[in-house]
Amino acid sequence: SQQGEEDPQALSIQEGENATMNCSYKTSINNLQWYRQNSGRGLVHLILIRSNEREKHSGRLRVTLDTSKKSSSLLITASRAADTASYFCATENAGNNRKLIWGLGTSLAVNP
Amino acid sequence: DGGITQSPKYLFRKEGQNVTLSCEQNLNHDAMYWYRQDPGQGLRLIYYSQIVNDFQKGDIAEGYSVSREKKESFPLTVTSAQKNPTAFYLCASSMHSDQRKETQYFGPGTRLLVL
Repeated sequence: SQQGEEDPQALSIQEGENATMNCSYKTSINNLQWYRQNSGRGLVHLILIRSNEREKHSGRLRVTLDTSKKSSSLLITASRAADTASYFCATENAGNNRKLIWGLGTSLAVNP
Repeated sequence: DGGITQSPKYLFRKEGQNVTLSCEQNLNHDAMYWYRQDPGQGLRLIYYSQIVNDFQKGDIAEGYSVSREKKESFPLTVTSAQKNPTAFYLCASSMHSDQRKETQYFGPGTRLLVL
């Protein structure tokens, strides 16, 4: 069952611009994670934010979490063509047995 | 791809045939997972295992079977009962801990096609 819903479904920007993707979820969570998937490849973990955290940074990535709105955003600053990929959010629900609930993803195209 | 290997990269199945997808990890992770991904879709959980000799059904287990006889191996069999098996199959693993901040490490995937 899908909990996370990413928005937008697809995003096309120019190199150097910032890209923002959003994720909404429905139930209480332990943490929310963002993953990246290049076409035809496995997923790679990007960043994890716990339910008691509001913002986290990793290089050019910035993730925010608003538990009152049950939403998260992923910001990629100064995007590069190599950032072209699909980005997925996944939530570990409170009380869950470590299963992750996945969104449908945002497809990001960064044009050189 | 983080110490997890999947084979083969492409697999062709004939009608009525069972096929087995391999997943091996050398990360010493306790938990392993199998997901199915259809085009333009997110991941759907087929089966998962938190410890050797134990596994649980995920959201779409019908037509699939697994075993977990060794910590490093979690093969998935797509049986003839799975009527729409064409998809991209992803195996993942994670460390079993109580820290509630586990991330999953993914293999490169196996694309299954029906002849």
